[in-house]
Amino acid sequence: GAVVSQHPSWVICKSGTSVKIECRSLDFQATTMFWYRQFPKQSLMLMATSNEGSKATYEQGVEKDKFLINHASLTLSTLTVTSAHPEDSSFYICSVPSGATNTGELFFGEGSRLTVL
Amino acid sequence: ILNVEQSPQSLHVQEGDSTNFTCSFPSSNFYALHWYRWETAKSPEALFVMTLNGDEKKKGRISATLNTKEGYSYLYIKGSQPEDSATYLCAFLSGNTPLVFGKGTRLSVIA
Repeated sequence: GAVVSQHPSWVICKSGTSVKIECRSLDFQATTMFWYRQFPKQSLMLMATSNEGSKATYEQGVEKDKFLINHASLTLSTLTVTSAHPEDSSFYICSVPSGATNTGELFFGEGSRLTVL
Repeated sequence: ILNVEQSPQSLHVQEGDSTNFTCSFPSSNFYALHWYRWETAKSPEALFVMTLNGDEKKKGRISATLNTKEGYSYLYIKGSQPEDSATYLCAFLSGNTPLVFGKGTRLSVIA
């Protein structure tokens, strides 16, 4: 199956700085990638759908100007948290549809834990 | 907002014990139900994708059942081993919304 690589695994930054998280599909080309966020003791929540060569689709309540998504190639999507604040501290994880069926099965990256001081 | 509930939130079992946990989801507009296994510091991995009412799937000591009419799925682990320790996520896919995840059941198997 596909291997999805996410980097960095951990990042600590100061309030007001921007942080970029990369998600790479290593085994196949992905026209779509999903970005999820998980707060402590909560479920994975879809933030946005990243579309290769076009604008990302954001879920309700997710600020597109704060969470910049770029999907410039078929193997790489990036999420940039701009002007990060402590409330943005969370676990961010990307995923790629398996594509084998239309049942929505996902391959996940390892996730990135962001701590904003 | 679609709600996917998993219970229990966490459980501890002794090595060799069998265990099971539940995922509840909306019974309308069903398309698929996923189970993922998520070990610490690793990526979630799909265990089962179930689409038909009455589906029963098995992978080694782990099996799952699906009841779409009443909106629940059970995951069973027979003869739990320490390597089964992980968080088990279920996720519901309807015909017109993205995959919705439950909070997971955190299983610890004590040797």
